Amino acid sequence: DAGITQSPRHKVTETGTPVTLRCHQTENHRYMYWYRQDPGHGLRLIHYSYGVKDTDKGEVSDGYSVSRSKTEDFLLTLESATSSQTSVYFCAISEGRSGRLLYEQYFGPGTRLTVT
Amino acid sequence: GQNIDQPTEMTATEGAIVQINCTYQTSGFNGLFWYQQHAGEAPTFLSYNVLDGLEEKGRFSSFLSRSKGYSYLLLKELQMKDSASYLCAVPANQAGTALIFGKGTTLSVSS
Repeated sequence: DAGITQSPRHKVTETGTPVTLRCHQTENHRYMYWYRQDPGHGLRLIHYSYGVKDTDKGEVSDGYSVSRSKTEDFLLTLESATSSQTSVYFCAISEGRSGRLLYEQYFGPGTRLTVT
Repeated sequence: GQNIDQPTEMTATEGAIVQINCTYQTSGFNGLFWYQQHAGEAPTFLSYNVLDGLEEKGRFSSFLSRSKGYSYLLLKELQMKDSASYLCAVPANQAGTALIFGKGTTLSVSS
């Protein structure tokens, strides 16, 4: 299994509070991703990083920010949590691509976030 | 743009064969991934097709037709532990640096 952990694994917070989720990898992979997974919507990309301090938006980035100051850590921040951000959040890592071939993504165990 | 369609649910019995289809439109990098996700767990990688044709890996096989925007995952000799969601995913951009996932097909295997 790829060395990828997420913290916390579960969190309950109130509307309007800031929340930061952490993803940590020991594989030295270049790419890191944050997804959210909701019933009826599947897995949707929030933000991703292609190197230290290099990030880009995914399809559902509004209300979220990310930071990557070290190769091994990728942080997802909800500046002011809303009930619509209640979800399961997955981090993933990948080596990216080699020529015309893509490497697979490995997923962390997930964080269940409830915003009340 | 990207659009991925998979059946929402499928049922099958132990020992049977099941085919899970995925149709897609993409303007991105070539290739298609299949992931398996058991309830309450993270997705795990099953297969990656970049060329047309069938790739076999034990009880699981995956097929790709790029011209038709079509793929399927074939599961043989079904076991109870194969009850899970199966997600297909395609590159979201020309660089292939991100994926877009289908909503997944929930497979229930009964005895």
